[in-house]
Amino acid sequence: GAGVSQSPSNKVTEKGKDVELRCDPISGHTALYWYRQRLGQGLEFLIYFQGNSAPDKSGLPSDRFSAERTGESVSTLTIQRTQQEDSAVYLCASSPSARAGEKLFFGSGTQLSVL
Amino acid sequence: QQQVKQSPQSLIVQKGGISIINCAYENTAFDYFPWYQQFPGKGPALLIAIRPDVSEKKEGRFTISFNKSAKQFSLHIMDSQPGDSATYFCAAGGNQFYFGTGTSLTVIP
Repeated sequence: GAGVSQSPSNKVTEKGKDVELRCDPISGHTALYWYRQRLGQGLEFLIYFQGNSAPDKSGLPSDRFSAERTGESVSTLTIQRTQQEDSAVYLCASSPSARAGEKLFFGSGTQLSVL
Repeated sequence: QQQVKQSPQSLIVQKGGISIINCAYENTAFDYFPWYQQFPGKGPALLIAIRPDVSEKKEGRFTISFNKSAKQFSLHIMDSQPGDSATYFCAAGGNQFYFGTGTSLTVIP
């Protein structure tokens, strides 16, 4: 596709369940970012991947959150034992590289609701 | 610690007026300052960006003013239009980007 694709677009889950969110970046983009956007709030940095380098996980809020990326393609964000405070829109973005000045291309996000 | 502080939280402007959104950052190592525009149900999209070696950048009706010594930058939207109604986020960083909390802009016809 032409843009960053995220799936599912909406996810409703019960407290305590695990969820997996998927991001397909733009082909050829080496950098991939995950952000969390709570209702009415800004974008909270979670993690970023750059090529084959070790990912920067400094933004992950707890050990219930993890993310993986296969090469320079698909990434999955996994939230274990979901809590109500995890309810948010999870946005994925990619860019041609992680150099300063590179434009981030965002997907439309996954709206996660934890009941 | 919030890396980027943004104000105001919301803004209402008459059509044709000037919209001004302000941001301040903490880390002097940041060297890229973009503004993103987000419409409901969509991801943010890059609007305009500036590097710290210039004090102003203009693209059409959108201007970024940058004050390196004060660690502040602002977005000015001239001749605001109803189609500009959206949420605007400032960001700062290098390899990582930290975003402000967003400003909801409403332009009244």
